[in-house]
Amino acid sequence: NAGVMQNPRHLVRRRGQEARLRCSPMKGHSHVYWYRQLPEEGLKFMVYLQKENIIDESGMPKERFSAEFPKEGPSILRIQQVVRGDSAAYFCASSPFEGALYGYTFGSGTRLTVV
Amino acid sequence: KQEVTQIPAALSVPEGENLVLNCSFTDSAIYNLQWFRQDPGKGLTSLLLIQSSQREQTSGRLNASLDKSSGRSTLYIAASQPGDSATYLCAVSHQTGANNLFFGTGTRLTVIP
Repeated sequence: NAGVMQNPRHLVRRRGQEARLRCSPMKGHSHVYWYRQLPEEGLKFMVYLQKENIIDESGMPKERFSAEFPKEGPSILRIQQVVRGDSAAYFCASSPFEGALYGYTFGSGTRLTVV
Repeated sequence: KQEVTQIPAALSVPEGENLVLNCSFTDSAIYNLQWFRQDPGKGLTSLLLIQSSQREQTSGRLNASLDKSSGRSTLYIAASQPGDSATYLCAVSHQTGANNLFFGTGTRLTVIP
């Protein structure tokens, strides 16, 4: 069981470029959550997805950010026209069922640096 | 709005010492509480999960307690080792819409050999 896989581990983008972050949940998990950790801050919830559906995107910035979890393949967090303030660690978590009953398993994160 | 606070922000102890990390949350209507460990530049490793109906959970040298009514949890680490050096994060899920976690900013622990 490979756990939650995120790639790339590190990503450098120039201002204005697009960033694509990928997350493959644990085997048997169909619920995916994205979190962002800004420097010196705690992790903040961004979005919760099930296969082909966005369930809760209350933590997503209104512009430039989008997420998907297609029927086949990993979940993708997409940031368009990146700015310096997007530099952060982005973590993905998965769970086997909706909600927190069995806790969450986190990936190792993608560290995005915008130059 | 749920707010999670962890005290102290940083802690240094000599090897072998027992220690306690504290977590408090403002809204006691939680579903469960989870303690994580985060190593520098790495992801989160789940340590212990306590359901709202439970008072404590144990795993090896770790013991986590939960007092839901007072909004507190503690993580007790016995006989600390240098390998325990990491940032420890506390996170709670809310009863309504338990689809996301509210995290504290963590306690950075250094165990000195």
